[in-house]
Amino acid sequence: KAGVTQTPRYLIKTRGQQVTLSCSPISGHRSVSWYQQTPGQGLQFLFEYFSETQRNKGNFPGRFSGRQFSNSRSEMNVSTLELGDSALYLCASSGGSTLSDEQYFGPGTRLTVT
Amino acid sequence: SQQGEEDPQALSIQEGENATMNCSYKTSINNLQWYRQNSGRGLVHLILIRSNEREKHSGRLRVTLDTSKKSSSLLITASRAADTASYFCATDWIKAAGNKLTFGGGTRVLVKP
Repeated sequence: KAGVTQTPRYLIKTRGQQVTLSCSPISGHRSVSWYQQTPGQGLQFLFEYFSETQRNKGNFPGRFSGRQFSNSRSEMNVSTLELGDSALYLCASSGGSTLSDEQYFGPGTRLTVT
Repeated sequence: SQQGEEDPQALSIQEGENATMNCSYKTSINNLQWYRQNSGRGLVHLILIRSNEREKHSGRLRVTLDTSKKSSSLLITASRAADTASYFCATDWIKAAGNKLTFGGGTRVLVKP
């Protein structure tokens, strides 16, 4: 099976712009989660989607949003970018029904905000 | 914060030696997972241990879980240069608003050849 793929791998944006990141889960996986990783805050949970519904949400402002399509592919959007949004954004999929199950991570999208 | 905390933050060992890292957490959990990350790339799942399990093995990896102390340890035996990576524990916890997977700050392991 192909692994989790994320596009683009690298992205440079300017403050105030918005960005959309994409994640394709492993075939058959219905749960997709997003994480932000920074040197200062570490790995932080953004949200999880399951069967096109946001099921869990972390403590991020409303500028961070996401959605999941019927084929389980997911997108994450960040509006009005701030310098602090520079991070590695990781997507993970799971074949289980909860976040208690093994997560399969993609390679990440490295976002730089200037 | 419900985040797990790893100890030590960094570890440097010679190839062939064992590496041990610990994870402590604050709330009751269903499972605890360990992941490895190589230099800013995606995480790779290593092992999952359920709250009713005390020890689990996978190849050169040994994980223990002590729910009374809310702690877990990961032991890598006979380390190799390829084990150089950051290791994270992740705990799941359930709250009224839904469950989350919370990662610790990680242990950076350097295995010198």
